[in-house]
Amino acid sequence: DSGVTQTPKHLITATGQRVTLRCSPRSGDLSVYWYQQSLDQGLQFLIQYYNGEERAKGNILERFSAQQFPDLHSELNLSSLELGDSALYFCASSPGVERNEQYFGPGTRLTVT
Amino acid sequence: AQTVTQSQPEMSVQEAETVTLSCTYDTSESDYYLFWYKQPPSRQMILVIRQEAYKQQNATENRFSVNFQKAAKSFSLKISDSQLGDAAMYFCAYRSMNYGGSQGNLIFGKGTKLSVKP
Repeated sequence: DSGVTQTPKHLITATGQRVTLRCSPRSGDLSVYWYQQSLDQGLQFLIQYYNGEERAKGNILERFSAQQFPDLHSELNLSSLELGDSALYFCASSPGVERNEQYFGPGTRLTVT
Repeated sequence: AQTVTQSQPEMSVQEAETVTLSCTYDTSESDYYLFWYKQPPSRQMILVIRQEAYKQQNATENRFSVNFQKAAKSFSLKISDSQLGDAAMYFCAYRSMNYGGSQGNLIFGKGTKLSVKP
């Protein structure tokens, strides 16, 4: 158990819908990263937050957004869902921007039908 | 931009034997971190081992060790005394040591699927 929690574990929804994925980092970790794992694209970085502020953006679509709250939990919002958004979404946390280890949550499996 | 390449989509090893998984990377940076992550069928991403580029000594964690060749930009993972529980996807990952911007995230290879035969 990495100490990072993600809810829900599984999510099935229809095209065009909007969903919210939630992540709670390890106790004391200030940085949260979101990654998407799909069969065709592999593991890709989406976005990073540090202590409530956006730090970096990767290959995140405009339909996707995220935020980190004062209690350091983070949410990833996916809207206007398409079939291609079906993937495993991971959240990872690390103590700070400069620390090198990232610990992953169990992931949320999103299926868009 | 940095890239990570794992040229072996699948590997197989006999239980109790040793196997080496390959990883090469491309970067113009001199300081960075390298990692191996394991993803078993449960899909959980588990950190196996890490290496700081400024350290010449190869990292070791129990049965797992790396062969880090900085000049060749190579970072292989050796698993000794393979166990059935080692069967998983293994991902090599790169992280810049520069702070800020997009350098905080991990860049992953495509992965190597390791099977362990009893």
